[in-house]
Amino acid sequence: DAGVTQSPTHLIKTRGQHVTLRCSPISGHKSVSWYQQVLGQGPQFIFQYYEKEERGRGNFPDRFSARQFPNYSSELNVNALLLGDSALYLCASSLQVRGVGVNTIYFGEGSWLTVV
Amino acid sequence: GENVEQHPSTLSVQEGDSAVIKCTYSDSASNYFPWYKQELGKGSQLIIDIRSNVGEKKDQRIAVTLNKTAKHFSLHITETQPEDSAVYFCAVLGAADNFNKFYFGSGTKLNVKP
Repeated sequence: DAGVTQSPTHLIKTRGQHVTLRCSPISGHKSVSWYQQVLGQGPQFIFQYYEKEERGRGNFPDRFSARQFPNYSSELNVNALLLGDSALYLCASSLQVRGVGVNTIYFGEGSWLTVV
Repeated sequence: GENVEQHPSTLSVQEGDSAVIKCTYSDSASNYFPWYKQELGKGSQLIIDIRSNVGEKKDQRIAVTLNKTAKHFSLHITETQPEDSAVYFCAVLGAADNFNKFYFGSGTKLNVKP
């Protein structure tokens, strides 16, 4: 079975530009979460989507947005890129939004974003 | 929100020795604690997890212990091998949220010397 797949794996953008990152969850998983991992730090929660609705949001500015599609895949969009947005963006999938025994999240390999 | 601290930030051991990584957390209501191994080109893999109704869980050379009273949990790797070299992250599922929000430690870079 395919795990969580993300694209692109690496990209370079210029300050002020826009970026779209894509994620496909594990088959059967209905929830997708996005995390930002800055070099030398642990992942930080950005969003969780379940059944196409935003169910949770971390402490990130409105320049960050996301959506989930009927097939449960997801896009993360970042507008007006700043140098500080350079990071590894991780997508994680889980069975449900939350519940006993179904909290486990599985990560993709991530998208490395460099803003110059 | 939850505050997770992870120590040490780097750990170097000789092949065959044991490695221990410790994390502390702040919210006593938290009840789910996974560990992830991150390697370049392989992403972040869940290696073991523990729920608060147990104090220890083992899977071959890997074990996790949880002390709810002291609010800390530890990853133990025995008989380390060079392929164990990676960055390890602990995580805590936030108790105050009704969604899957995990709080991560800052990572431990483990180097196993042959």
